[in-house]
Amino acid sequence: GNSVTQMEGPVTLSEEAFLTINCTYTATGYPSLFWYVQYPGEGLQLLLKATKADDKGSNKGFEATYRKETTSFHLEKGSVQVSDSAVYFCALSEKNYGQNFVFGPGTRLSVLP
Amino acid sequence: NAGVTQTPKFQVLKTGQSMTLQCAQDMNHNSMYWYRQDPGMGLRLIYYSASEGTTDKGEVPNGYNVSRLNKREFSLRLESAAPSQTSVYFCASSEALVFGVETQYFGPGTRLLVL
Repeated sequence: GNSVTQMEGPVTLSEEAFLTINCTYTATGYPSLFWYVQYPGEGLQLLLKATKADDKGSNKGFEATYRKETTSFHLEKGSVQVSDSAVYFCALSEKNYGQNFVFGPGTRLSVLP
Repeated sequence: NAGVTQTPKFQVLKTGQSMTLQCAQDMNHNSMYWYRQDPGMGLRLIYYSASEGTTDKGEVPNGYNVSRLNKREFSLRLESAAPSQTSVYFCASSEALVFGVETQYFGPGTRLLVL
């Protein structure tokens, strides 16, 4: 079945550091890929998404590129802020596969001032 | 515009007790979902409702029942709570169940502890 693997962390960075959170997936076909973010005490929010190979999703300075050849969708940001501290979830959804998203376990990011 | 709301925010149950988690959305979305979030496992789908009047099982439906009361509301019921159901429960909604492209909007979650 489909699955998503991501580094669990926690990841601790200093403000203005470069961020990479790795995400790889297994799917039977051609899924859409998502990054969701969960701030403390809140539900998940969509951060960015990509629906086909080589697409780049971007939002709030975060970027991720859909790499079909490596089955990856790594999240990057050039300069993190304290306000980026949250848990980040990689997820996939495959058309005609079924009814649900498949989420990774989440990566907790802490950014220190 | 409240988005997706859930009640209660936190609940403690004893084994064997029953309870209903409530969820409502004000975005006129057709599809609604219930997930549970456990450490190291991400979110897993319990039940979903593609549209008003329909419900279907997700990945982990055992021990749960759902009701799509109307287009706005989707409740999750635990008939006889077990410690294994200790988790954080999230409700979500999306405009339509179009696999692969839809964005889901999540509520703030209900933290449930079963003793």
